[in-house]
Amino acid sequence: GQQVMQIPQYQHVQEGEDFTTYCNSSTTLSNIQWYKQRPGGHPVFLIQLVKSGEVKKQKRLTFQFGEAKKNSSLHITATQTTDVGTYFCAGPLDNYGQNFVFGPGTRLSVLP
Amino acid sequence: GAGVSQSPRYKVAKRGQDVALRCDPISGHVSLFWYQQALGQGPEFLTYFQNEAQLDKSGLPSDRFFAERPEGSVSTLKIQRTQQEDSAVYLCASSQSRQGRLLTANEKLFFGSGTQLSVL
Repeated sequence: GQQVMQIPQYQHVQEGEDFTTYCNSSTTLSNIQWYKQRPGGHPVFLIQLVKSGEVKKQKRLTFQFGEAKKNSSLHITATQTTDVGTYFCAGPLDNYGQNFVFGPGTRLSVLP
Repeated sequence: GAGVSQSPRYKVAKRGQDVALRCDPISGHVSLFWYQQALGQGPEFLTYFQNEAQLDKSGLPSDRFFAERPEGSVSTLKIQRTQQEDSAVYLCASSQSRQGRLLTANEKLFFGSGTQLSVL
């Protein structure tokens, strides 16, 4: 079945450093979503990318969808302690289904 | 309500006991999902409802797991004869989207706070 992988599994950065997490799917995705889960919390939607090669920015966060729509990345510029959490990408099983497959996540720690 | 509500927040069960987990989705949301999240892992899909119809239950790990949404609103996930490997956080999510049409922008999932199940 479809698999969604993420690297790295963990990332420790000094506050102010940049951070990037990468998401790869075994199949072409119609769209990809990113979620953030704070420690002890639940996943919260960040963004959805739909178009091939799409780039979206949210303040210090930059999201990119690959040309082949099989990979995506999230880049955070100048991390802050509020960025701590686990970042998940999720892709639908098919264009019409609603079942999202989540990646294993990248856990970000930010040292002050 | 303002968000997805799940209860109980924590549940401790003895091995072999039956448990029932409740999810109250955002009012008007058509789709409801149950996910299982083990410690340090991503959410794993269990089952999906569109209104009262259970359209996909392929993620349910065994026949001890049963979910229902009889009136198309509140949903209950029931686990019979719990086992230690059932220990996890069970997350419920709802969305406005409907199966059968192309996903459009912002078909996002709204998650509840989850029920942390510990089976001793």
